[in-house]
Amino acid sequence: DTGVSQNPRHKITKRGQNVTFRCDPISEHNRLYWYRQTLGQGPEFLTYFQNEAQLEKSRLLSDRFSAERPKGSFSTLEIQRTEQGDSAMYLCASSPKVGDIVNYGYTFGSGTRLTVV
Amino acid sequence: GNSVTQMEGPVTLSEEAFLTINCTYTATGYPSLFWYVQYPGEGLQLLLKATKADDKGSNKGFEATYRKETTSFHLEKGSVQVSDSAVYFCALSTFKLGGKLIFGQGTELSVKP
Repeated sequence: DTGVSQNPRHKITKRGQNVTFRCDPISEHNRLYWYRQTLGQGPEFLTYFQNEAQLEKSRLLSDRFSAERPKGSFSTLEIQRTEQGDSAMYLCASSPKVGDIVNYGYTFGSGTRLTVV
Repeated sequence: GNSVTQMEGPVTLSEEAFLTINCTYTATGYPSLFWYVQYPGEGLQLLLKATKADDKGSNKGFEATYRKETTSFHLEKGSVQVSDSAVYFCALSTFKLGGKLIFGQGTELSVKP
């Protein structure tokens, strides 16, 4: 068990550019969650997958954001035409099933810090 | 709805002082409650949890008791260390949320030698 891995750790991009982040969950965890954390705030839910199916998307996820989990393993989060307001820490987490989350919480990756200049 | 409210920070303490960080919640359904800790530049680590009323979660000298009557889950530690300096987040989850966690805004703790 190598934990949840996120890449890159840091990304600086110019406004208007596209960026893509990757999350590798703990192997065999079929649920994968994305959160966004802005400075001085708690993480906010963006979207989650059960296997390859994207089951819920937050209103925070505008049409510039897209997430995929093509084979039910790793996931990518893409932001198109980045804006300065997208600057944040993007966190990924995984879990085997909902019951485990309610009973044990879940494991977060170290996050990708995006800075849009 | 579901929400978590934490006391505002930053909280600044001297080493070996007693720590309390207040957390209250509102929930639709019966929540599990969590405290997560975030050290500078890192992701979130689960610190402790409680899944039913009157449960006490504990870890690394930190404790929190699930109080249903006051809808609270306050974090306490008897003697803080400089290494405890971090941001602490209270969170809840329910089965109805489908595994999503609802977080408070976080409380920054700074411990001085």
